[in-house]
Amino acid sequence: DQQVKQNSPSLSVQEGRISILNCDYTNSMFDYFLWYKKYPAEGPTFLISISSIKDKNEDGRFTVFLNKSAKHLSLHIVPSQPGDSAVYFCAASTYNQGGKLIFGQGTELSVKP
Amino acid sequence: DSGVTQTPKHLITATGQRVTLRCSPRSGDLSVYWYQQSLDQGLQFLIQYYNGEERAKGNILERFSAQQFPDLHSELNLSSLELGDSALYFCASSPNRGGGGSGNTIYFGEGSWLTVV
Repeated sequence: DQQVKQNSPSLSVQEGRISILNCDYTNSMFDYFLWYKKYPAEGPTFLISISSIKDKNEDGRFTVFLNKSAKHLSLHIVPSQPGDSAVYFCAASTYNQGGKLIFGQGTELSVKP
Repeated sequence: DSGVTQTPKHLITATGQRVTLRCSPRSGDLSVYWYQQSLDQGLQFLIQYYNGEERAKGNILERFSAQQFPDLHSELNLSSLELGDSALYFCASSPNRGGGGSGNTIYFGEGSWLTVV
């Protein structure tokens, strides 16, 4: 039972262009969503988050969009840089499960110079 | 550097053995989480402790146990190890007990890579 799904295992984008990473979820009780970035041999690093009461959150080059009716969120990176090449995980949580995060399988982003 | 420290970074052990993974949370964080990342399962939540007490539990095997000590560091004990337990084990921490909003942002260590042979 995979409650959080990232259907694209990989994505390749040209430097300077927009990267769009997608994530779908099935549990309507999720009320907080996060994106993490992971480089090889390192732990996941928190990137950006969004509460279910919002539909957009922006932080510099990173914007997360939430479409609750479609149970879909996306991460936009503009402009993409080679240093953004990493695996991106989306994660979700509910208010009544402590700090437990449910992670997607990850999308490997490659930004070409 | 997230401020979460895990030891050891790498560990190779034989089937049937027992190992202990150690985690020091970020300064001031009261919650510690353990996650397992294997090739076919992604990042799986194992267990959360908040200020010494178990707060949330995932699909943690009975052969696995964890605790959080008064100084807030945590240990994950894995016993009767099987080949399938080979994975990257992450510890994470957060300031509070979680349960809503930004309280659910957690910060990961670099992981302990366990290989069972």
